[in-house]
Amino acid sequence: SQQGEEDPQALSIQEGENATMNCSYKTSINNLQWYRQNSGRGLVHLILIRSNEREKHSGRLRVTLDTSKKSSSLLITASRAADTASYFCATASGGGYNKLIFGAGTRLAVHP
Amino acid sequence: NAGVTQTPKFRVLKTGQSMTLLCAQDMNHEYMYWYRQDPGMGLRLIHYSVGEGTTAKGEVPDGYNVSRLKKQNFLLGLESAAPSQTSVYFCASRRDTQETQYFGPGTRLLVL
Repeated sequence: SQQGEEDPQALSIQEGENATMNCSYKTSINNLQWYRQNSGRGLVHLILIRSNEREKHSGRLRVTLDTSKKSSSLLITASRAADTASYFCATASGGGYNKLIFGAGTRLAVHP
Repeated sequence: NAGVTQTPKFRVLKTGQSMTLLCAQDMNHEYMYWYRQDPGMGLRLIHYSVGEGTTAKGEVPDGYNVSRLKKQNFLLGLESAAPSQTSVYFCASRRDTQETQYFGPGTRLLVL
């Protein structure tokens, strides 16, 4: 079963615009991570936010976490064509083995 | 460093055939994971290992076996392939002190 669910499933924007993706999950977590997957490639880690954090920044990325609503959002500011990819949230919970549970992802297309 | 590598990149099997997927990492990571990714879905954990000589079941282990005889290698075996095992398989690894997972480029498997 999948823990995280991303919204929207697909997003199409113009270069320079901001892109916001949302993730909802069902159970309590230790941390939530966002990964990017370019077409036909493996996943690349973007950012991790712990359950006791509310907001985190990394370059053009901003992640928020609302544990009361069991939701997170990923904001990419000033999008570029190179940001075109699928974005997945993954939650880690329970013991120390960090088994990640992934959502189905958001497909982002940034048009020049 | 090559990071996480996977062999082969692509394979076609007939129903009932067996094969082994190899994952190798040169980062001296303790933890290793095997996932499968199906269209429109996130990654699902098949098996994982928390150290050399250890393995454990993930979310979808049926029809697969794994071995971790050497710390740097994690093998995924299909004893009798079925069309339902057509998927893209990803291997990942991480340090025991870090929560970020590093992914390989994937193996595309088609079972006819």
